[in-house]
Amino acid sequence: RKEVEQDPGPFNVPEGATVAFNCTYSNSASQSFFWYRQDCRKEPKLLMSVYSSGNEDGRFTAQLNRASQYISLLIRDSKLSDSATYLCVVQNTGGFKTIFGAGTRLFVKA
Amino acid sequence: GAVVSQHPSRVICKSGTSVKIECRSLDFQATTMFWYRQFPKKSLMLMATSNEGSKATYEQGVEKDKFLINHASLTLSTLTVTSAHPEDSSFYICSARGDRAWTETQYFGPGTRLLVL
Repeated sequence: RKEVEQDPGPFNVPEGATVAFNCTYSNSASQSFFWYRQDCRKEPKLLMSVYSSGNEDGRFTAQLNRASQYISLLIRDSKLSDSATYLCVVQNTGGFKTIFGAGTRLFVKA
Repeated sequence: GAVVSQHPSRVICKSGTSVKIECRSLDFQATTMFWYRQFPKKSLMLMATSNEGSKATYEQGVEKDKFLINHASLTLSTLTVTSAHPEDSSFYICSARGDRAWTETQYFGPGTRLLVL
């Protein structure tokens, strides 16, 4: 089982749609969680950190469920510019190891 | 936010040559730098973790003699692909983490596209 798993997609949605991505992790001792966004042929960029209480940044909402060991990202009112690959990232305790999911590809169409 | 640069952004070389890629943290001291490789439409794969002044820790399956990493200062790490072959063609990305709590966010460089002919 992979340490971090994501549905690779692609998710094809129309503009204005709401789309949700889930990510599961296998190490219950994981401490920190992030969503990164990667555009085609570019480096990943931090989208948002994920906190136990959940957090929201504009149209983006991230949730963490430690009991079930998954995190989610909700995008409301999708824009064409949201088209990208979204990477789930988990940091574990001990060796400061950061593990990236394989990414979920999103295509937002007009 | 923090800025990390990489140089060169793109390199084409002949098979058998060595290529050096630089990663610099421009506005913070990076005690830890990471090197990733990404093949087309694939996920980032961590190659190695380097801490300033010490030997890099390589992931399983990554040849340390082929991918030489030097982290000589708090703002510079280099990756040298020795005797490059076509299968080494990939997108190489570095990231840096600052000198704070271990949960500090990683900041990525813009990546280097390597094409080995």
